[in-house]
Amino acid sequence: DAGITQSPRYKITETGRQVTLMCHQTWSHSYMFWYRQDLGHGLRLIYYSAAADITDKGEVPDGYVVSRSKTENFPLTLESATRSQTSVYFCASSANPEDRQPQHFGDGTRLSIL
Amino acid sequence: AQKVTQAQTEISVVEKEDVTLDCVYETRDTTYYLFWYKQPPSGELVFLIRRNSFDEQNEISGRYSWNFQKSTSSFNFTITASQVVDSAVYFCALSEAWSVPGNQFYFGTGTSLTVIP
Repeated sequence: DAGITQSPRYKITETGRQVTLMCHQTWSHSYMFWYRQDLGHGLRLIYYSAAADITDKGEVPDGYVVSRSKTENFPLTLESATRSQTSVYFCASSANPEDRQPQHFGDGTRLSIL
Repeated sequence: AQKVTQAQTEISVVEKEDVTLDCVYETRDTTYYLFWYKQPPSGELVFLIRRNSFDEQNEISGRYSWNFQKSTSSFNFTITASQVVDSAVYFCALSEAWSVPGNQFYFGTGTSLTVIP
């Protein structure tokens, strides 16, 4: 039972670079989510997806792009990274088709932008 | 305005003491869900409980218990006989009815619990 796998676990890059964070789940859950975790802000939703080819913005979508060509993958791309995007990123999924709240989380990607 | 408020930023208790983590939420929806998650030092997020707005029955799971009170918009979490392994950051979260566009999933800022042996 692999669950949700995020890669890479750690990433350091420079401002202006494009970087993609990968998220893969083995359950075929319909809903998937991307959050960023910052001190003082808790977790904030970046984007979510209700199914393959269906995505929608969350609370803090600016500077991010997502895609969901396959149910099991939900990559998050920073097209031109900025220092303010240094954060810990969590991917999540929900267990049931009618359940739109995240329950299962990946282990996180720690992204540093210099 | 904060949808979910966890006023306790950090709490320290001695092992075997009971500890209650407070969570106050704000919503106008009649249908909503409340959650608690645990984030241990290793960093992963662990789902603990989900409660819908129509179920005010308190829940107990081992040493964990949750007190949901709609009258005070609170969903407090109590750990009985705390253990060192309970040391973690605990997040309370709210999800409002998704039929209204833009409504999403709101996390509190977390309470860092340290259990001292």
